[in-house]
Amino acid sequence: AQSVTQLDSHVSVSEGTPVLLRCNYSSSYSPSLFWYVQHPNKGLQLLLKYTSAATLVKGINGFEAEFKKSETSFHLTKPSAHMSDAAEYFCVVSVVSGGSYIPTFGRGTSLIVHP
Amino acid sequence: DTEVTQTPKHLVMGMTNKKSLKCEQHMGHRAMYWYKQKAKKPPELMFVYSYEKLSINESVPSRFSPECPNSSLLNLHLHALQPEDSALYLCASSLDGGPEQYFGPGTRLTVT
Repeated sequence: AQSVTQLDSHVSVSEGTPVLLRCNYSSSYSPSLFWYVQHPNKGLQLLLKYTSAATLVKGINGFEAEFKKSETSFHLTKPSAHMSDAAEYFCVVSVVSGGSYIPTFGRGTSLIVHP
Repeated sequence: DTEVTQTPKHLVMGMTNKKSLKCEQHMGHRAMYWYKQKAKKPPELMFVYSYEKLSINESVPSRFSPECPNSSLLNLHLHALQPEDSALYLCASSLDGGPEQYFGPGTRLTVT
């Protein structure tokens, strides 16, 4: 079985400062890992993905994440926050079940950006 | 076209009504998913269709009835819903059931 723990329910930063959203996972198999962003009343947008290639993954809008197997972590970072980054962020681990990949979502981290 | 579309955007229905949600994609994806998302919570998987066949039903009540008429279209038929079924309903698709999913914008459902 797999699980995802997003360690912070809320993260608050000032515009222009670095962002760190933390995610730890548990999986019996080699996982596929994702970060999605959801702006209010919108669907989920894929930020980046890890599927057993490079451990440092670059995504859209300046976000990146590093897969650390020894720490079972997949933390999301961005060097400089922008007001438009304020949203809900979900870390997802996905493994095969019944012929399809089934995602397990973290609880979400709300990113608040102050001017 | 890398888009998943959902209609309607908003739906208000009474507990005795019958309505349907629609999801469409033209990316050639062969797996499609329905999720339910309550406020401030992550999406919860409801159904998975793989090659137009229902492959996963996460113990969803029978008042929700999915249908996949073809590989591009996914419907969710609603009947005799309860107020607690009010939520954002998200559709997603993936290539051949692979791990990367593309989400639609969702339908905001309110049951009165």
